Amino acid sequence: SQQGEEDPQALSIQEGENATMNCSYKTSINNLQWYRQNSGRGLVHLILIRSNEREKHSGRLRVTLDTSKKSSSLLITASRAADTASYFCATLLSGGYNKLIFGAGTRLAVHP
Amino acid sequence: DTGVSQNPRHKITKRGQNVTFRCDPISEHNRLYWYRQTLGQGPEFLTYFQNEAQLEKSRLLSDRFSAERPKGSFSTLEIQRTEQGDSAMYLCASSGGRDRMTDTQYFGPGTRLTVL
Repeated sequence: SQQGEEDPQALSIQEGENATMNCSYKTSINNLQWYRQNSGRGLVHLILIRSNEREKHSGRLRVTLDTSKKSSSLLITASRAADTASYFCATLLSGGYNKLIFGAGTRLAVHP
Repeated sequence: DTGVSQNPRHKITKRGQNVTFRCDPISEHNRLYWYRQTLGQGPEFLTYFQNEAQLEKSRLLSDRFSAERPKGSFSTLEIQRTEQGDSAMYLCASSGGRDRMTDTQYFGPGTRLTVL
């Protein structure tokens, strides 16, 4: 079973707008990671946020983590057509586990 | 290119045949993972190696699946007597080594398996 649930399942916006994707999970985590996947290709790591962190930035990406609500959000500012992809959150469970548990993803379409 | 590589990129086989996939991780990484992804879903964990030791296997990994990492470098995933339900993208990832962010898993491009 998958631990993460992304919301929304699909998002369609215009270039220049911001895109926000949310992720909820069920059990205690060591860290949470966001990945991007272009159609039919491998996953590209975007950002990792640890359980003791609340916010991280990387370029046009901003990730927040609220461990009390077991949720995270990914904000992409000033979106571009090239940002069109599926975005997945993945959690690394606490307790010495090494596997990532992925949600079903948010499919983002950015229209020029 | 020092990223994770996977071969072949595509494999079409008939039901009942055996297939083998190869993964070459980032050279200094000691951890290697296999995941499976079906259409419209996120990847699901299959198995994990630290060096040559297989430390964790998912219940998804039936007896028809076997993975090896004989010298702690490349890994192979074999599926015996393939079934149509095995059709999926098989992803390999690696982590560890000198990378400061040792929890970050770097993924290869995947092998897309189609079982006819």
